[in-house]
Amino acid sequence: TQLLEQSPQFLSIQEGENLTVYCNSSSVFSSLQWYRQEPGEGPVLLVTVVTGGEVKKLKRLTFQFGDARKDSSLHITAAQTGDTGLYLCAGVDDYKLSFGAGTTVTVRA
Amino acid sequence: ETGVTQSPTHLIKTRGQQVTLRCSSQSGHNTVSWYQQALGQGPQFIFQYYREEENGRGNFPPRFSGLQFPNYSSELNVNALELDDSALYLCASSLGGASTDTQYFGPGTRLTVL
Repeated sequence: TQLLEQSPQFLSIQEGENLTVYCNSSSVFSSLQWYRQEPGEGPVLLVTVVTGGEVKKLKRLTFQFGDARKDSSLHITAAQTGDTGLYLCAGVDDYKLSFGAGTTVTVRA
Repeated sequence: ETGVTQSPTHLIKTRGQQVTLRCSSQSGHNTVSWYQQALGQGPQFIFQYYREEENGRGNFPPRFSGLQFPNYSSELNVNALELDDSALYLCASSLGGASTDTQYFGPGTRLTVL
């Protein structure tokens, strides 16, 4: 059972379009992380958000953490084919990560 | 500096058998966590080892066990394999076991149980 719900499950867009992925939790974690995982590889950390209301930007990626620290979103502007992958959010609780089921993003050329 | 490595890459076993998966931590890291990722799901936490001691465990039965060695490499052992154990097994190493320590994942071992 996943404590974090991600939506949508699948997303297919054309190169140059924008997309948003959502992550909602029934629990409050000390922080929340976003990862990208490509086929045959392990997840790679993109960002950690800690403070409610926090917004972080990494080039074309914008991450938001909800005021109550139970929801988060990842927005990609002008998506590129290299953005294709499985996007996972994870709640950080002491020593372990609790992952959502992920959103599979496909960016078509 | 080498990253996290895992062996083997792929493995096929039959029900009831036992399996050992291996993980080499990133240089300087003393903590290893193991995760199970079933098809279409996110990784699920199995357990964590910090300086050769189990530091925490997820909701997995005792037939899932682990070891961490003095060089901080690690093994995951699964006994009496079941069909539902088919998954990608990921290990992640970190500098410590604190929530603020970033976990770096290996590429995983794909286990298929027939």
